[in-house]
Amino acid sequence: QSALTQPASVSGSPGQSITISCTGTSSDVGAYDYVSWYQQHPGKAPKFIIYDVIKRPSGVSNRFSGSKSGNTASLTISGLQAEDEADYYCSSFTSSTTYVFGTGTKVTVL
Amino acid sequence: QLQLQESGPRLVKPSETLSLTCSVSGGSITNNNYHWGWIRQPPGKGLEWIGSIYYTGITYYNPSLLSRVTISVDTSKSQFSLRLRSVSAADTAFYYCSRLSSGTPADSWGQGTLVTVSS
Repeated sequence: QSALTQPASVSGSPGQSITISCTGTSSDVGAYDYVSWYQQHPGKAPKFIIYDVIKRPSGVSNRFSGSKSGNTASLTISGLQAEDEADYYCSSFTSSTTYVFGTGTKVTVL
Repeated sequence: QLQLQESGPRLVKPSETLSLTCSVSGGSITNNNYHWGWIRQPPGKGLEWIGSIYYTGITYYNPSLLSRVTISVDTSKSQFSLRLRSVSAADTAFYYCSRLSSGTPADSWGQGTLVTVSS
């Protein structure tokens, strides 16, 4: 199984909105509404921020939102803050009853 | 609150077997809503899903690691384990244990442990 494709980097100024794409295939992202997103700060374990494409776990800021169209899922961060500077990874359930992660995106707050 | 803690050797020789255990506390490993799994991340690189196990012993593995990996569970100790055979330098990574919920490979994570493959 191949990793889902994400842009290597995305940047924005404080207060702006940015969107990170996550492109898979009809066997993973396009097949199920089981896309998750993770935030990882340097030296830390990833943090679970979106599941089932659009849902936020308890305690996660509503500045994070998810969506999906066809084989591409997206994570939008609104009102960008300095603390949002981190690496972001998507993941998807697959038709092989496995999981696959995205290649990862480094978000920089200018 | 659920806690996951990885343990095991931090240094493994090439061609030998990497073995890690994840201890689960603050929740039941036999909860039928969850599976338990392993994810790894080479230093400076992305995440890779290794595999998962249900408390009954049903397992699912990444096809790219299928020939070398075994995940097992010991419900009496509230632990699950990873064995990766015939390791090489490419297997050097942070290894995380996780709890899987429906459609999500990790709704909770261990802190991770760096395992280095070197002679």
